[in-house]
Amino acid sequence: GENVEQHPSTLSVQEGDSAVIKCTYSDSASNYFPWYKQELGKGPQLIIDIRSNVGEKKDQRIAVTLNKTAKHFSLHITETQPEDSAVYFCAASLTGNTPLVFGKGTRLSVIA
Amino acid sequence: DADVTQTPRNRITKTGKRIMLECSQTKGHDRMYWYRQDPGLGLRLIYYSFDVKDINKGEISDGYSVSRQAQAKFSLSLESAIPNQTALYFCATSANRAGANVLTFGAGSRLTVL
Repeated sequence: GENVEQHPSTLSVQEGDSAVIKCTYSDSASNYFPWYKQELGKGPQLIIDIRSNVGEKKDQRIAVTLNKTAKHFSLHITETQPEDSAVYFCAASLTGNTPLVFGKGTRLSVIA
Repeated sequence: DADVTQTPRNRITKTGKRIMLECSQTKGHDRMYWYRQDPGLGLRLIYYSFDVKDINKGEISDGYSVSRQAQAKFSLSLESAIPNQTALYFCATSANRAGANVLTFGAGSRLTVL
């Protein structure tokens, strides 16, 4: 089955700097790659997703890139703010009828 | 009210006890899931259900069972709890949309087994 590796496990950045979180997946047939943000005491929430027919997607300060050949995708957060501090999870799924497989998460701390 | 409600939010129990975690949703979604979160291990799938008559095992189903009582309700049971089942449990739902499962998570149920 699918296996998703996520790095780094922890990341500290200064406010205003950029943050990058990287994930690799094992099944080349996977075609959907979402990112979830988990704030303290809450459940994860979808922040951005990308499908395999697209190489990059942006939404304000966040962007996701996908390299199908290398089987990796990344989350980019620019101009980080203290409210970006959270745990971020990447995930992958083979089709709409298979559950998401999550990475182990990255704890992002934005230092004011 | 929350779209996905989990009860209880916190529970402390003893080894060998039977525990039920309940989940209800007002999203109208067909699909429901139970995930377990442990520090450093991310979110791991326990069971999932794509409709009322469908139950599937996930990555770590041993020691757990589920019941889909209605479209809106999905409960997780630990028949005889053990300490390594201490974790944060999340229920999630998604709509049946081809190509993507966009999950809506509950706030979580923290279970401690002594």
